[in-house]
Amino acid sequence: KAGVTQTPRYLIKTRGQQVTLSCSPISGHRSVSWYQQTPGQGLQFLFEYFSETQRNKGNFPGRFSGRQFSNSRSEMNVSTLELGDSALYLCASSRRQGSGDTQYFGPGTRLTVL
Amino acid sequence: AQSVTQLGSHVSVSEGALVLLRCNYSSSVPPYLFWYVQYPNQGLQLLLKYTSAATLVKGINGFEAEFKKSETSFHLTKPSAHMSDAAEYFCAVSGGIYDMRFGAGTRLTVKP
Repeated sequence: KAGVTQTPRYLIKTRGQQVTLSCSPISGHRSVSWYQQTPGQGLQFLFEYFSETQRNKGNFPGRFSGRQFSNSRSEMNVSTLELGDSALYLCASSRRQGSGDTQYFGPGTRLTVL
Repeated sequence: AQSVTQLGSHVSVSEGALVLLRCNYSSSVPPYLFWYVQYPNQGLQLLLKYTSAATLVKGINGFEAEFKKSETSFHLTKPSAHMSDAAEYFCAVSGGIYDMRFGAGTRLTVKP
């Protein structure tokens, strides 16, 4: 069974631009979560989508948004990029929403903001 | 709310030595606990998961972890370290309404 895939793997943008990252979950998984990973802040939860609805959101500004499609694929968008947005963005999928369901991670998208 | 504390941001062991990575959790409900491993420029890979079925959980690559409720701990161990074990390890807790929290991570170095 194919794992979680994320595209692109690497991205370089300049301040003020916007970016869209894509995540395809494992087949049959309906929940997709996004995380930001930086050396200083570690792994921080961005948001979770289940059945095309955002179910949970972390403490990030409104510049960070996402959506989920009917096939469970998800996209994350960051507008008006700032230098501090440089990070590894990880997507994780699970079968269901809810406590204890194992999350499987993709390889991440490395975003560099210049 | 749940939280996780990983003791020691860096751990160094010699090849063949015992690996012990410490994790303490806080949870107001019976927790689900996880250990993940991350190799450079890769995502997180699940090592093992505690679901209350057994307090000693065996995972992949020879790792295991023991759930100790009285100590609120879920330490990760491996009897004999291998060079390929060098990576960053994350403990995570989930409980109640979906709320997955990760620890800050422990970087494991294995010396030849």
